[in-house]
Amino acid sequence: KAGVTQTPRYLIKTRGQQVTLSCSPISGHRSVSWYQQTPGQGLQFLFEYFSETQRNKGNFPGRFSGRQFSNSRSEMNVSTLELGDSALYLCASSNSALARKDTDTQYFGPGTRLTVL
Amino acid sequence: AQTVTQSQPEMSVQEAETVTLSCTYDTSESDYYLFWYKQPPSRQMILVIRQEAYKQQNATENRFSVNFQKAAKSFSLKISDSQLGDAAMYFCAYRKPQNSNSGYALNFGKGTSLLVTP
Repeated sequence: KAGVTQTPRYLIKTRGQQVTLSCSPISGHRSVSWYQQTPGQGLQFLFEYFSETQRNKGNFPGRFSGRQFSNSRSEMNVSTLELGDSALYLCASSNSALARKDTDTQYFGPGTRLTVL
Repeated sequence: AQTVTQSQPEMSVQEAETVTLSCTYDTSESDYYLFWYKQPPSRQMILVIRQEAYKQQNATENRFSVNFQKAAKSFSLKISDSQLGDAAMYFCAYRKPQNSNSGYALNFGKGTSLLVTP
């Protein structure tokens, strides 16, 4: 089974631009979560999508948005980029179902390294 | 909000020896899940081990085991027979019980960098 894939792997943008990152989950997984990793703030949860609906959202400004498609692929968008948005953006997928109590594992992709100049 | 604290920014262990990484967390929930993830230089996050709070038995995965102390809100990771490939950043993570409001959000600690020396 193929793992979680993220594209692109590296991205360089300038302040004020916008960027779209893509994540393809493991086949059959319906939940996709996004995290931002920076040296200063560590790993922070951005949002989670399940069946094309945002199920949970972290404490990030509205410039950060996302969506999920019917095939479970997800995109996240950052508008009006700031220098502080430079980070590794990680996507994770899981075989989530609300009725289940067991701890479905979140499988992470390799990340997209975004540099804002 | 739940907080996860890893008090050891760096740890070092010799090959074949045992090392324990510490993690404490703060929550008012009685049911939750705890995880240890490994992030090697490739930056790929890999699940090492997970623990359900409602289970009293400590989780074990080959050379990796945890010491889960629910009352103390402590969740340490023990790595036995350390190998060079164990060198990585280790993150402790907490997740609330799954329901329509919490979904799958993981709260991570700041991480512990593990160095393995020959």
